[in-house]
Amino acid sequence: KAGVTQTPRYLIKTRGQQVTLSCSPISGHRSVSWYQQTPGQGLQFLFEYFSETQRNKGNFPGRFSGRQFSNSRSEMNVSTLELGDSALYLCASSSGLGVIHNEQFFGPGTRLTVL
Amino acid sequence: EDQVTQSPEALRLQEGESSSLNCSYTVSGLRGLFWYRQDPGKGPEFLFTLYSAGEEKEKERLKATLTKKESFLHITAPKPEDSATYLCAVQARYNTDKLIFGTGTRLQVFP
Repeated sequence: KAGVTQTPRYLIKTRGQQVTLSCSPISGHRSVSWYQQTPGQGLQFLFEYFSETQRNKGNFPGRFSGRQFSNSRSEMNVSTLELGDSALYLCASSSGLGVIHNEQFFGPGTRLTVL
Repeated sequence: EDQVTQSPEALRLQEGESSSLNCSYTVSGLRGLFWYRQDPGKGPEFLFTLYSAGEEKEKERLKATLTKKESFLHITAPKPEDSATYLCAVQARYNTDKLIFGTGTRLQVFP
């Protein structure tokens, strides 16, 4: 079974630009969560999508947004990039609602550098 | 507020020197506690899930245990390839959508 895939793996952008990251979950998984990982803050929850609906959102500004498509693939968008947005962005997929053992499996991440 | 604290922040071991990593948590109703391993530049790799106090799980040289306040990841006779950052995360009963992570323990095993 293929794992979670994320594209692109690396991105370099400049302040003020916007960026879109993509995540394809494990086949059959309907839930996709996004996390930001930085050396100082560790992994922080951004948001979670299930069946094309955002079900939960972390404490990030509105510049961070996302969506999920009918095939469960998800995209995350960051507008008006700031230097502090430089981080590893991780996507995790899980079976989703009503599942007792709802483990999350992570992709390799997208390393975003903002100059 | 739900919180996860891992200790130590960093640990250096000689090959074969067993030790334990600690994960203390505060959560309003624990649904599950997760251990992940993360290598530099990669996403976290799932290791274990523990659901109730007293539960134990093993995988090769790793053994995870759970009490009502903390979890331990025991590493027996570690090898250099066990070097990685080990992350602990909790999932609350009221919100199973997200994981609350600790900042991790960076383990280095020297030959």
